[in-house]
Amino acid sequence: QVQLVESGGGVVQPGGFLRLSCAASGFTFNSYGMDWVRQAPGKGLEWVAFIRSDGNNKYYADSVKGRFTISRDNSKNTLYLQMNSLRAEDTAVYYCAKLGGAWYVDYWGQGTLVTVSS
Amino acid sequence: SYVLTQPPSVSVAPGQTARITCGGDNIGSKSVHWYHQKPGQAPVLVVYDDSDRPSGIPERFSGSNSGNTATLTISRVEAGDEADYYCQVWDSSSDHQVFGGGTKLTVL
Repeated sequence: QVQLVESGGGVVQPGGFLRLSCAASGFTFNSYGMDWVRQAPGKGLEWVAFIRSDGNNKYYADSVKGRFTISRDNSKNTLYLQMNSLRAEDTAVYYCAKLGGAWYVDYWGQGTLVTVSS
Repeated sequence: SYVLTQPPSVSVAPGQTARITCGGDNIGSKSVHWYHQKPGQAPVLVVYDDSDRPSGIPERFSGSNSGNTATLTISRVEAGDEADYYCQVWDSSSDHQVFGGGTKLTVL
């Protein structure tokens, strides 16, 4: 069965950085696009970034462009999100998500909490 | 940027039909996907490509999409359907995925 396990969340000061990881199993990782989606406390879902199956196309939300970098290692079945210049408004649960067909998420991880606070 | 508009809340009695709307400019030309999310849990896909259901999702869940409005319909609502519901599309003009603001479904 498909499993997506995020790690790397925690508390960081404003201006700091974190790298999130997502270990994938139960499917052919290098055949699917992947997303990061976040959810601030008590708020709705916000798409953060997408990466194509081969890693060659990447798209970002305007709110994180230039600060966050999505990447993947298909040899390790792992998705990453490098987050720099973190702000209080980046505080959220970050979900790793596998895309199905036309841009929908068919599997989600359980999420990892990132708190940006001094 | 493309905006999806959902009502903040919908209430329905058990056994009745709930309809949750998702408004967007010419949304009928896009593929719309729906998720539900219960407190403390990750979202779950309930409808994709406007009206298709993933395996394991009851037939009570259905979707439609035309003009400027997409609709998720839940027939014979049960207490377990109480959750937040989100619509989502891919906006090819901006290469962005877009989520609606979410609708809290309350089963009375």
